[in-house]
Amino acid sequence: ILNVEQSPQSLHVQEGDSTNFTCSFPSSNFYALHWYRWETAKSPEALFVMTLNGDEKKKGRISATLNTKEGYSYLYIKGSQPEDSATYLCAFPPSSASKIIFGSGTRLSIRP
Amino acid sequence: SAVISQKPSRDICQRGTSLTIQCQVDSQVTMMFWYRQQPGQSLTLIATANQGSEATYESGFVIDKFPISRPNLTFSTLTVSNMSPEDSSIYLCSLIGLAGGLVDTQYFGPGTRLTVL
Repeated sequence: ILNVEQSPQSLHVQEGDSTNFTCSFPSSNFYALHWYRWETAKSPEALFVMTLNGDEKKKGRISATLNTKEGYSYLYIKGSQPEDSATYLCAFPPSSASKIIFGSGTRLSIRP
Repeated sequence: SAVISQKPSRDICQRGTSLTIQCQVDSQVTMMFWYRQQPGQSLTLIATANQGSEATYESGFVIDKFPISRPNLTFSTLTVSNMSPEDSSIYLCSLIGLAGGLVDTQYFGPGTRLTVL
């Protein structure tokens, strides 16, 4: 059974501070890793799709890195704002023909 | 990206009843997916809804409990039958779209938040 683990489960951060959290996945037969942001009462929104070891993707104040050899990805948020409050999910499709396996998410709350 | 809508957005139901959730997409797609997220758990795939054939269910999910319809390429329904409090979850429909590269990205509806008393 393939597991995708995310830590921490929840995080409370002061507005303006930077933060990061982790997604761990099986390092063998890597295909791709997805990051999603899921705000309350909205659809999960795709943030990044990462495919190559050493990849670094950036979208505004949010960035992600990928290490396929050791099986982890970090998501960084610089200068957290209240609108960053959401659950951040990572997802791992073992191959192009496989269903996507989701982690249980990191719930981020930003304190004003 | 496709626009996906779901109805209802939330509902509170009594034990033993059934609820049908509708998913509408603004473009034609071959496969639609139904997920649920129970409190504190991962998003879990229930089944893949194929147009013109029976849905494909994941381990632990059966057609009698979660019947799915897929009458055309833009619409699907998921019914949660004979509900119990353990069925309280967020249910999402989803499809895969091309992200402009080799790897597809999954798009989700806004979800249906179900509470079973």
